[in-house]
Amino acid sequence: QKEVEQDPGPLSVPEGAIVSLNCTYSNSAFQYFMWYRQYSRKGPELLMYTYSSGNKEDGRFTAQVDKSSKYISLFIRDSQPSDSATYLCAMRESGYALNFGKGTSLLVTP
Amino acid sequence: SAVISQKPSRDICQRGTSLTIQCQVDSQVTMMFWYRQQPGQSLTLIATANQGSEATYESGFVIDKFPISRPNLTFSTLTVSNMSPEDSSIYLCSVEGGAGRDTQYFGPGTRLTVL
Repeated sequence: QKEVEQDPGPLSVPEGAIVSLNCTYSNSAFQYFMWYRQYSRKGPELLMYTYSSGNKEDGRFTAQVDKSSKYISLFIRDSQPSDSATYLCAMRESGYALNFGKGTSLLVTP
Repeated sequence: SAVISQKPSRDICQRGTSLTIQCQVDSQVTMMFWYRQQPGQSLTLIATANQGSEATYESGFVIDKFPISRPNLTFSTLTVSNMSPEDSSIYLCSVEGGAGRDTQYFGPGTRLTVL
């Protein structure tokens, strides 16, 4: 079992929809949780960063961490075609090594 | 966040040769990292590069295959040695960042194809 599981999709939604992206993990020592967005042929761009459990909101994006269920989510409100990308979850313990999911491919259609 | 550049952006190489990838940051950082992103796979950490010390390699990666240099606080190189087609991948450098240096910012990546 991989430490971080993420459904690769693809996920296709109409413009304006609410998107829910999720990851599960097995290592209870993970403390830091991140979401990255990666456009085709580009490097990952940090979207959201959360320490421990709870919610964090930034504009149209909301990150949730439920450590008791080992489950994290990223919600995108009012999705736009420019949100079409691959979304990567990443997490780590107290050290520096990030553990990534394989990424979910999102397509937002006009 | 830091601005990170990588050279080359892409390359096509022959089996048995070596390629050195450069990573430049616009500010001084203590920690730099090298990752590999193989098709259909998760990003995987190759090694951590601190200025003034030997790089620390993750399980499955060795210095003879992936030698790393870190001559100063804004620059690092990763060499992929004696390449085989299995080394075809995207190689990414990242740097520590955020208010508490708790997260990482990534460069644009180097897309390597080995024939």
